Amino acid sequence: QKEVEQDPGPLSVPEGAIVSLNCTYSNSAFQYFMWYRQYSRKGPELLMYTYSSGNKEDGRFTAQVDKSSKYISLFIRDSQPSDSATYLCAMGNNAGNMLTFGGGTRLMVKP
Amino acid sequence: AAGVIQSPRHLIKEKRETATLKCYPIPRHDTVYWYQQGPGQDPQFLISFYEKMQSDKGSIPDRFSAQQFSDYHSELNMSSLELGDSALYFCAIRGRRTGELFFGEGSRLTVL
Repeated sequence: QKEVEQDPGPLSVPEGAIVSLNCTYSNSAFQYFMWYRQYSRKGPELLMYTYSSGNKEDGRFTAQVDKSSKYISLFIRDSQPSDSATYLCAMGNNAGNMLTFGGGTRLMVKP
Repeated sequence: AAGVIQSPRHLIKEKRETATLKCYPIPRHDTVYWYQQGPGQDPQFLISFYEKMQSDKGSIPDRFSAQQFSDYHSELNMSSLELGDSALYFCAIRGRRTGELFFGEGSRLTVL
């Protein structure tokens, strides 16, 4: 079993929908959590960074971390076709900067 | 803004050949990380360097080696290439927050 599990999708939603992306993890040593967006054949682009349990909002994006349940989420409000990409959760501990990624969820937002 | 330049962007090699990928952090950065992303896979950590010394090692095959040079650019050398080495290879630099990484656009290696 992988340390970080993420539903691969694809997830197809209509434009304007609220999108919920999720990851679960097993390693309680993970202390910080990130969401990356990756367009096809491009490098991962950092979207959200969180260090503690709770919610963090940035524009249309909200990251949620529940350390007690080992569960993180990314919500996208008013989704746009330009949000169509693969979303990767990533997490790490204080020992270094080696991130452990989820497998990525492919999102398609249809006009 | 800080970033990473990788070259070449695309590379085609045949089995058993050798390939070298380069990474240029802009501006100079003391730490670089190499990740490999196979088709449909998530990025896997290969190796990292801090101040030109190897700092951590992940799932890097023995056929691969890497180094960070005095000007802080880094190179990933891959020998005896296999079909399974076909992947996107990313270089990343550390951000200000713990664990934060910024990735380059990647080098796509295709082994025929």
